[in-house]
Amino acid sequence: VQLVQSGTEVRKPGASVKVSCKASGYTFSKYDINWVRQAAGQGLEWMGWMNPNSRHTGSAQKFQGRLTMTTNTSISTAYMELTSLQFEDSAIYFCARAESTYFGPRLYYFEHWGQGALVTVSS
Amino acid sequence: QYVLSQPPSASGTPGQRVTISCSGSSSNIGRNPVNWYQQLPGAAPRLLIYNSNQRPSGVPDRFFASKSGASASLAMSGLQSDDEADYYCSTWDDSLKGLVFGGGTKVTVL
Repeated sequence: VQLVQSGTEVRKPGASVKVSCKASGYTFSKYDINWVRQAAGQGLEWMGWMNPNSRHTGSAQKFQGRLTMTTNTSISTAYMELTSLQFEDSAIYFCARAESTYFGPRLYYFEHWGQGALVTVSS
Repeated sequence: QYVLSQPPSASGTPGQRVTISCSGSSSNIGRNPVNWYQQLPGAAPRLLIYNSNQRPSGVPDRFFASKSGASASLAMSGLQSDDEADYYCSTWDDSLKGLVFGGGTKVTVL
């Protein structure tokens, strides 16, 4: 299993950024792809998930309205687009494949991660 | 700021045992399994423990985790210099309908 992300991006405040995550080594449609970000010197922050098969998504409330997650199953690639960027959106953005259960207690964890994509918001 | 509470730091000398706590609530740890991640500087997180106490293949049995009520803990025995990293707990939160992380604990090997 491998998740390979796109490279470093620099954007001005108010702009948008789109990060890609290309999956290989497994059936892409069978696992949710999640996005997690980490600002410099800070902890991990979960952003949202997308099921490549159903196209259903879910996201943390703070990103709703600014975050769009999509997938292209023909090339096993997931995308995360964040709009109206602010300085505090500068971070490393990781994609991660979820292992999960949907009945009973919700087991939800990430065994496979992308290498991360640095997004810098600077004027 | 973080839904799950972890101490910001922990330390020990080589060979010692270090324990990290993770405190949540009835909507997250109280209902769902806890997972732990190790993050070395400049690297992506690595899954250390899943389903509260299960180790993925390749994780040594020096790492042990447990959960009780709305709290969880990660213990590292026989501390090694390689264990110097940030450690994060995580679980699903039924009220927030999303994944939550702790703020992370930086482990220093003295």
